[in-house]
Amino acid sequence: EAGVTQFPSHSVIEKGQTVTLRCDPISGHDNLYWYRRVMGKEIKFLLHFVKESKQDESGMPNNRFLAERTGGTYSTLKVQPAELEDSGVYFCASSALRTRDTQYFGPGTRLTVL
Amino acid sequence: GNSVTQMEGPVTLSEEAFLTINCTYTATGYPSLFWYVQYPGEGLQLLLKATKADDKGSNKGFEATYRKETTSFHLEKGSVQVSDSAVYFCALSDGDTGRRALTFGSGTRLQVQP
Repeated sequence: EAGVTQFPSHSVIEKGQTVTLRCDPISGHDNLYWYRRVMGKEIKFLLHFVKESKQDESGMPNNRFLAERTGGTYSTLKVQPAELEDSGVYFCASSALRTRDTQYFGPGTRLTVL
Repeated sequence: GNSVTQMEGPVTLSEEAFLTINCTYTATGYPSLFWYVQYPGEGLQLLLKATKADDKGSNKGFEATYRKETTSFHLEKGSVQVSDSAVYFCALSDGDTGRRALTFGSGTRLQVQP
């Protein structure tokens, strides 16, 4: 069974540009989460989808971040316009409804904003 | 709100040494507790978990016991190997509210020398 995949693995952009990160969850997982780790600090929750609906977006830092999950499969996280403080590693995770707590993480996308 | 505190790293040990990484938490109610590990160049992997007080999670020689009285979930291993070198994250999920976002500690880097 394929794990959670993320694309790209690295992205380097300039301040003010737009970047879109993609996450493909484990097949059949209805729950999808986005997290990020900034500057070697703790990993922080951004938002949670159940299928295509946003269940919890309390961690989204501001309106420059837009997450979508059309059709309830893969998800995208767009940052527009990117700022320096957005640099970090963005992780995606997924879980099945029947296994309430266990979240399986992808390898992350390292975003560098210059 | 919920929080997780881990010991500062890096922790440097010789092969076959005993490992303890401290983790304490603050949460309302009865959270589930997790240890995730990130090996170099890879994503987060679930190492072990415990869902109620006095539960012991174990995997790959690592153990952690859910101690409600001390709000702790310390990670231990009796004899570390070079291959255990990684960053270890303690995390919790809020079992009472049903909110599924994980709250992470800042991570502890372990370096095992041959």
